[in-house]
Amino acid sequence: NAGVTQTPKFQVLKTGQSMTLQCAQDMNHNSMYWYRQDPGMGLRLIYYSASEGTTDKGEVPNGYNVSRLNKREFSLRLESAAPSQTSVYFCASNRAGGSTEAFFGQGTRLTVV
Amino acid sequence: GDSVTQMEGPVTLSEEAFLTINCTYTATGYPSLFWYVQYPGEGLQLLLKATKADDKGSNKGFEATYRKETTSFHLEKGSVQVSDSAVYFCALKLGYSTLTFGKGTMLLVSP
Repeated sequence: NAGVTQTPKFQVLKTGQSMTLQCAQDMNHNSMYWYRQDPGMGLRLIYYSASEGTTDKGEVPNGYNVSRLNKREFSLRLESAAPSQTSVYFCASNRAGGSTEAFFGQGTRLTVV
Repeated sequence: GDSVTQMEGPVTLSEEAFLTINCTYTATGYPSLFWYVQYPGEGLQLLLKATKADDKGSNKGFEATYRKETTSFHLEKGSVQVSDSAVYFCALKLGYSTLTFGKGTMLLVSP
């Protein structure tokens, strides 16, 4: 049972470089999410996709773009990385509905120098 | 908007001590409530949930009761173990909206 798979697990970027974080789920979930986790800030929603073909901004979308490639895959792109984007990034997915739990990937630890 | 407030950590306990982590929420409507746990170096995983008032969620010796009158969902465990050391997140979800998380509470249990 793979669940939610994120790649890469670790990445170091120089300021101004770009990169794409990949996420795939094998649970046939409609909804997928990208969060960032920073010390003292908890989890903050960057973007989400309620269903295939739709994406919406979360709490902290600036500096990021997303693509819902198909039902399984949801990628997060940093076009021009900044030190403020140093964080741990988590992808999550769930079925639609109020009481359904979200399943999380293992996270990507990104450092921008 | 909707929000979740958790007690700040770290919470430091000795093994076999009683644990309470407070969580209160603000929401327009009747949310589902969740506790997630994050072990070091891992992603979050669901610990327990409750979907309506007076429901009690339980798992691995942890319990939390959905209290509508006090808008609370406090996490409790009668006897903690070293292996319970982790970060605990309280969260709510209203209908088809996204999950709203608290800031997390780190629990450190010493032998």
